[in-house]
Amino acid sequence: EAQVTQNPRYLITVTGKKLTVTCSQNMNHEYMSWYRQDPGLGLRQIYYSMNVEVTDKGDVPEGYKVSRKEKRNFPLILESPSPNQTSLYFCASRGAGQETQYFGPGTRLLVL
Amino acid sequence: AQKVTQAQTEISVVEKEDVTLDCVYETRDTTYYLFWYKQPPSGELVFLIRRNSFDEQNEISGRYSWNFQKSTSSFNFTITASQVVDSAVYFCALSEGRKLIFGTGTRLQVFP
Repeated sequence: EAQVTQNPRYLITVTGKKLTVTCSQNMNHEYMSWYRQDPGLGLRQIYYSMNVEVTDKGDVPEGYKVSRKEKRNFPLILESPSPNQTSLYFCASRGAGQETQYFGPGTRLLVL
Repeated sequence: AQKVTQAQTEISVVEKEDVTLDCVYETRDTTYYLFWYKQPPSGELVFLIRRNSFDEQNEISGRYSWNFQKSTSSFNFTITASQVVDSAVYFCALSEGRKLIFGTGTRLQVFP
């Protein structure tokens, strides 16, 4: 089954404790993105990757890092989480020449 | 700048009523894509439809229909004979190269 997976689905952590949210897709898609969803703001792009080893900032990159060492994986790293990073996070992917992005199930993060 | 406006924050209807969700967009691009996604209470984002800027034909899929009008920069979504299972947050989105620009969403509650 074609899908985008994220782990963990739910995470509670404390300020300053480094964490990683994993994202993996099995569709051989070139493009992958991370978005965060906040009430009243919709979804906003954090980071973007066009292919392996090619990443770029989105609209709200501060406090986040990403890497793309393999085509299927695109982890989101919070080196020192803060309460304002409490949010619902989505990973998405799409193939080259395609326009539709497919989203993972989301990761709910609470930073205390 | 590209922008998507969903002016209806929340809509409540009784089952079997028809309901229209409004979406207005702004873009300087001549080629673009518009999308609708559904976010049920479980939180995932479900792709519903994609429309490109060259195709102004309305589309119907079962109880769902979409009305795309370039003249008014609108891409409205109608649910006919709504059901309780339609209760969700619905997002309209506009493609901008490497990312999607989302509206703030409309929460639809369908009561039995």
